[in-house]
Amino acid sequence: AQTVTQSQPEMSVQEAETVTLSCTYDTSESDYYLFWYKQPPSRQMILVIRQEAYKQQNATENRFSVNFQKAAKSFSLKISDSQLGDAAMYFCAYRSTGSGGSNYKLTFGKGTLLTVNP
Amino acid sequence: GAVVSQHPSRVICKSGTSVKIECRSLDFQATTMFWYRQFPKQSLMLMATSNEGSKATYEQGVEKDKFLINHASLTLSTLTVTSAHPEDSSFYICSATRDSYNEQFFGPGTRLTVL
Repeated sequence: AQTVTQSQPEMSVQEAETVTLSCTYDTSESDYYLFWYKQPPSRQMILVIRQEAYKQQNATENRFSVNFQKAAKSFSLKISDSQLGDAAMYFCAYRSTGSGGSNYKLTFGKGTLLTVNP
Repeated sequence: GAVVSQHPSRVICKSGTSVKIECRSLDFQATTMFWYRQFPKQSLMLMATSNEGSKATYEQGVEKDKFLINHASLTLSTLTVTSAHPEDSSFYICSATRDSYNEQFFGPGTRLTVL
């Protein structure tokens, strides 16, 4: 079974600064998806960024980018120019590439609570 | 992105009663829906995977007779908490996906309080 580990329960960053959230995972599969989700105080889960394991290029979405190290099974999230609205719980998640039903399951890490200081 | 709704957003019930929570995919047909439970400041815990027209697959430790899941159509799944007790109080989140998607779309969640 796959596992996802987020070793930082809490992080803080000054507004406009950069912060990196860590995520490691364990799998025997060669192809898979990795995700970062944001859960603000409203508790609505929001997809931040997605990485497909077969792609060597790191995914980027505006101020959010990842450092995907497949051999090390590491998938960190970098938030640049942090904004007050970035304050939230961030979850790293893993999904297999198989099709149908339970293959679409997400395995979540325990989350990192990010505080943005003005 | 695709939109998933949940109803109700909050519900308070008395111990021993049953509560039904609806999850709807509003702009796509969801072949698979998931139900999660989340305690404060914790991660999402998958309860079950629901495929349209078939029985739900429950995760280990989840009581299938207590948490009844029905996925009757490609746009609707329901979670019924039967004979609810205070320890069932939690935040319940559903998500939906389909074969051509590689991500899940989450509903806004339902806060259940059992008195």
